[in-house]
Formats: sequence, C-alpha cells, structure tokens
Amino acid sequence: ETGVTQTPRHLVMGMTNKKSLKCEQHLGHNAMYWYKQSAKKPLELMFVYSLEERVENNSVPSRFSPECPNSSHLFLHLHTLQPEDSALYLCASSQEDSATGELFFGEGSRLTVL
Amino acid sequence: AQSVTQPDIHITVSEGASLELRCNYSYGATPYLFWYVQSPGQGLQLLLKYFSGDTLVQGIKGFEAEFKRSQSSFNLRKPSVHWSDAAEYFCAVVPLGNYGQNFVFGPGTRLSVLP
Repeated sequence: ETGVTQTPRHLVMGMTNKKSLKCEQHLGHNAMYWYKQSAKKPLELMFVYSLEERVENNSVPSRFSPECPNSSHLFLHLHTLQPEDSALYLCASSQEDSATGELFFGEGSRLTVL
Repeated sequence: AQSVTQPDIHITVSEGASLELRCNYSYGATPYLFWYVQSPGQGLQLLLKYFSGDTLVQGIKGFEAEFKRSQSSFNLRKPSVHWSDAAEYFCAVVPLGNYGQNFVFGPGTRLSVLP
C-alpha cells in the first residue's frame, strides 16, 4: 500500500446511524487532515492533526468527531447526521517540517445521508 | 486575507487542442503555488508546484505552469489535450513557511474534452 488510503469508498447511512470513516497514510507524514467537498462549494477544511494533536476545528458541528490514534491513522466518527452532510470526505496528509508541506490526498469517501 | 480565484468555472476544448487554465491569487508575498487535478469520484492529485527559481515549472501528464509575479498569476497549460484530461482542476496557495493547514484552494475549473 502506498499513499493515502480511505475506507469505505462509499457509505450510505440513515440520520440516526453511527458510522466511521477511516484514513491511513503510508508516507511517514506527521500531519493529517479531513476536508469536506460538496457539490458547487469550495473545499472545506474540517480538522487538522499535527503530531497527533488537533490544531484546527473550523467550527465543525459536533456530530462529526475526529480521532487520531497515531500519526498514520485518522478517523472521522459520524453520528446523527443530516442530509446536507452528504458529500465527498477527503483525507490528506503532509510533512509539516518539509520545505513545502504539500498535501497528499486519498481518493475520498462518498457519504450519502438519507 | 489571501484568496485564490479561478475565473473559468467550466472549459470545453477539443481533443488535441491546447489548454490554458487561469489562476490568480491575492497575497502580500509570493506564496507556494500548486495545481491539483481531481478525476470524477477521486481524490486530488498534485500536478505541479512552484516554490522559487525558474518561473516555468513542469509537472506530470505533460502539464506546465508559469508563475508571473507582476500579474499574481499561476496559469496551467498543456499543448495538446487528451480525452483523459477531463477532470476538475484546482489551484492552491500556501504562504511561505506555513503548512498544510494554511492551504487555500481555488473554486476549481471543470474541463470537458470533446472527441
């Protein structure tokens, strides 16, 4: 496995379900991110973890709960979501002490909330 | 606040034709500059990046971009488009010395390719 891997690729859930999105990076990076991509909206940064500490929240609703157990894994726990939360959720990683810090993205998890 | 504009929401070109996608940024100093591509249902893939030096940078898949400081622009070009280039293209900037959490993405330009 190389790069950034996200599972599941597709998820359909009801508004009362609890599910989780998983992200794993195999690049040895020290920062991981969750982005939300909705139709006709710019990319929205949701959460940032640097050295496993959360450094950005961006006023995301509490029904989204991130977890970063180590520098290679990132989860997004979902609970009591709304239909407007349907979107593509992208995970990314970067090396924050590199010269450039460019983001490397996973293929995304397409979430549909019914 | 820094911002990135991509004036063209949607561009359609014929296969084999040349392509230029526009990107302008607003920032006090020259930031790091990136172009990403997103195929349908996929994540974002880095095409190329500019940090310093030669203002014409080469990327993957035959793409290049030119940084013009006087115009605060970083336009993406390809001399001959292939049908597989149909995708969404995002320009992004990050201030010098800053990191991934400070990435600012443009709204994207969707490219359609006619056979």
